[in-house]
Amino acid sequence: DTGVSQDPRHKITKRGQNVTFRCDPISEHNRLYWYRQTLGQGPEFLTYFQNEAQLEKSRLLSDRFSAERPKGSFSTLEIQRTEQGDSAMYLCASGGGFQDFSGNTIYFGEGSWLTVV
Amino acid sequence: KQEVTQIPAALSVPEGENLVLNCSFTDSAIYNLQWFRQDPGKGLTSLLLIQSSQREQTSGRLNASLDKSSGRSTLYIAASQPGDSATYLCAVRDISSGSARQLTFGSGTQLTVLP
Repeated sequence: DTGVSQDPRHKITKRGQNVTFRCDPISEHNRLYWYRQTLGQGPEFLTYFQNEAQLEKSRLLSDRFSAERPKGSFSTLEIQRTEQGDSAMYLCASGGGFQDFSGNTIYFGEGSWLTVV
Repeated sequence: KQEVTQIPAALSVPEGENLVLNCSFTDSAIYNLQWFRQDPGKGLTSLLLIQSSQREQTSGRLNASLDKSSGRSTLYIAASQPGDSATYLCAVRDISSGSARQLTFGSGTQLTVLP
């Protein structure tokens, strides 16, 4: 499999519970992104890793959110004390190289749907 | 802060028609612009990437143009088919977006091609 994999694809959780999503990027890619998408909107940037280093975090990433990429390969996104407003699709994307951004595309996974009830 | 707008929000056309989707962005200092397709409940599939130095890119029945100075891009779909029904998203990669060089997306155009 040469694509970006995300797990689980769907998660229903009760308000206040913690959830964790996993992303396995394309194996040779050193750049990894998390985005959030709500219905009828485009994806919004959450955070960025270059190898294992988390270099950028959006203001959308409240202190209840934490992301890791411990060995520069897979990444996890944890949401603590979930709220109904966290219901969204969480998308992971990866890209290769970082010297020249003009010609580089990034590849998205299928997303992880979160419903907080 | 970069803002990306897509018009129309939804479009319904009969099969066989040629159509144009529009995208505008407020900050012309970009590395590139990408068009993505998203099927319901699915992730994003990259369709075309136009570098800032390019004017257009073509792939099959799709042609994307970029006018960086005016902050506009169009996606032209020729001879539309029901299988083209999806949401089409435009995204730009800003020069000013820090080391992440993350994409800024529009809200998409939901296209329905009627058989």
